Amino acid sequence: AQSVTQPDIHITVSEGASLELRCNYSYGATPYLFWYVQSPGQGLQLLLKYFSGDTLVQGIKGFEAEFKRSQSSFNLRKPSVHWSDAAEYFCAVGPQWDKFYFGSGTKLNVKP
Amino acid sequence: NAGVTQTPKFQVLKTGQSMTLQCAQDMNHNSMYWYRQDPGMGLRLIYYSASEGTTDKGEVPNGYNVSRLNKREFSLRLESAAPSQTSVYFCASSDGTGLANYGYTFGSGTRLTVV
Repeated sequence: AQSVTQPDIHITVSEGASLELRCNYSYGATPYLFWYVQSPGQGLQLLLKYFSGDTLVQGIKGFEAEFKRSQSSFNLRKPSVHWSDAAEYFCAVGPQWDKFYFGSGTKLNVKP
Repeated sequence: NAGVTQTPKFQVLKTGQSMTLQCAQDMNHNSMYWYRQDPGMGLRLIYYSASEGTTDKGEVPNGYNVSRLNKREFSLRLESAAPSQTSVYFCASSDGTGLANYGYTFGSGTRLTVV
């Protein structure tokens, strides 16, 4: 069965510190992987996506993610967090018959 | 650049009432989706439509119906609202016709409370 696990429900980091959000997936075929960000009261915005090729992908807002097939992981990273990065982040995998599966999300708090 | 537009943004219903959530996209996307978002559960797919004229059930379809009115519009109907349907509802669309186009565009959501 297809599934996505985000083991960290909440994460707090200091502004300027580095960030890594974890995502593990279970998928029967070659996965297409995504990270989305949701600001309070807003819809989800696509940060980055991986289809094939280079396993390190760059996204918007200075985020990057690395696909590790052997670990079934697609962790999101940012070298230096800004206060405006405080949001909820969702990992997603798919498609299966044009459907995507989302993790339960990680809420990021940024301390000044 | 409207993208995906959902109406209404907020709604309070009494148990047993019915309502329709509207969604429209202006990107000429083939596929449209309805998700619900509940705390700690991420997004769960209610229904989706891979193309105009087709609809399919997702993970949590019970208590809902959908209509793909045309390529632009995909509505979600609650025939008899229940408190368990209190949630934030998101509509999304996707081209899905090529690798580069995979990935959703989301609406801003409808916050529904059933009392």
